Amino acid sequence: DTGVSQDPRHKITKRGQNVTFRCDPISEHNRLYWYRQTLGQGPEFLTYFQNEAQLEKSRLLSDRFSAERPKGSFSTLEIQRTEQGDSAMYLCASSLTRSPHEQYFGPGTRLTVT
Amino acid sequence: GNSVTQMEGPVTLSEEAFLTINCTYTATGYPSLFWYVQYPGEGLQLLLKATKADDKGSNKGFEATYRKETTSFHLEKGSVQVSDSAVYFCALSGTSYDKVIFGPGTSLSVIP
Repeated sequence: DTGVSQDPRHKITKRGQNVTFRCDPISEHNRLYWYRQTLGQGPEFLTYFQNEAQLEKSRLLSDRFSAERPKGSFSTLEIQRTEQGDSAMYLCASSLTRSPHEQYFGPGTRLTVT
Repeated sequence: GNSVTQMEGPVTLSEEAFLTINCTYTATGYPSLFWYVQYPGEGLQLLLKATKADDKGSNKGFEATYRKETTSFHLEKGSVQVSDSAVYFCALSGTSYDKVIFGPGTSLSVIP
């Protein structure tokens, strides 16, 4: 069973450093989503892709954040000049275009900024 | 904008007790409604869904009915088990958007 995978699972970085996370969706899924989840809260939408096109970005996605999905398969989320407030769980999900509401989530990458 | 409110936890129940987790929503149009579950150390999983008014979603003994008149989607289970201990998220997806909007989650602990 090849579900959504994310790498790394944990990342500790110092404030001001850049970090990059990777998400591999379910292979036949052409939609890919990024969410952020802080402790005690539900996930918050960041952005999503239809194949390689980034179709929507949340206002939460400041200009220090950039996401790509260059070949319509895996995606990367980069955070530049990390801040302590960026500490959170970053979740990736994927879905089929015909069932966009049935999103399958990966295990997440937990980021800690010290 | 669209939003979801759910009862605060944590909720602690004895095994075989009846479970209700309340969820209400605010949305324009006719959203789809979901319950997701997050077991300890695992990723979010879709538990059940309902896409139109009066639909009942059900899975693993859990059920929830889409009530448009009360804008609610309460989660129920007749007899909980220790293995149901998890965080439960009520969520919605609007007709114009594909992103899922989540509530804050309700932690459930079931004790033997």
